[in-house]
Amino acid sequence: DIQMTQSPSSLSASVGDRVTITCRASQSISIYLNWYQQKPGKAPDLLIYAASSLQSGVPSRFSGSGSGTDFTLTISSLQPEDFATYYCQQSYSTSTFGGGTKVEIK
Amino acid sequence: EVQLVESGGGLVQPGGSLRLSCAASGFTFSSYWMHWVRQAPGKGLVWVSRINGDGSSTSYADSVKGRFTISRDNAKNTLYLQMNSLRAEDTAMYYCARGGRNSLGPGDYWGQGTLVAVSS
Repeated sequence: DIQMTQSPSSLSASVGDRVTITCRASQSISIYLNWYQQKPGKAPDLLIYAASSLQSGVPSRFSGSGSGTDFTLTISSLQPEDFATYYCQQSYSTSTFGGGTKVEIK
Repeated sequence: EVQLVESGGGLVQPGGSLRLSCAASGFTFSSYWMHWVRQAPGKGLVWVSRINGDGSSTSYADSVKGRFTISRDNAKNTLYLQMNSLRAEDTAMYYCARGGRNSLGPGDYWGQGTLVAVSS
């Protein structure tokens, strides 16, 4: 099974900061890496699919990059509504989620 | 508008069974892979199972293999998860999610979840 390792597990940041979250796969998954945002008590929302494609309706401050085993989610300028938990997911071989990154207010 | 509505959760004793349903609307249900994902209280997301559009291909996480069965009724636009031999560690919110038209697609729409609690 493919394991997904996300880092950091949590971070504190201020509004306007640039935030980067990384995700590493235990083997190559090509570009089949997705990113989700989840707020407390809510279902996850898809942000990025296929490593770098922005889901419809998602603000352009969110971007994704990477291929193979190493991937990055970047929020270019953190907004108040972006404080949430972020998960990566591989869909290359069945599916696996990363452990999540909680983005908190500094 | 795509909608996914889960039901069937509840409190069940260890060793018991439960069947979850996910009613889909707003899209051609039979054209999409569908997934179940769970989240234990205060924990992260865990993929559970998936099924292809015509129901001929299924996959499971090792933690549920042999105990859970995913199925679908395309005439009723409904996804199911039959859960047997339930354990305390199966306690979680269970979400259904629409996958892609192939096995590689992401979960682009999610239901609100149904809560399963396994306890004596």
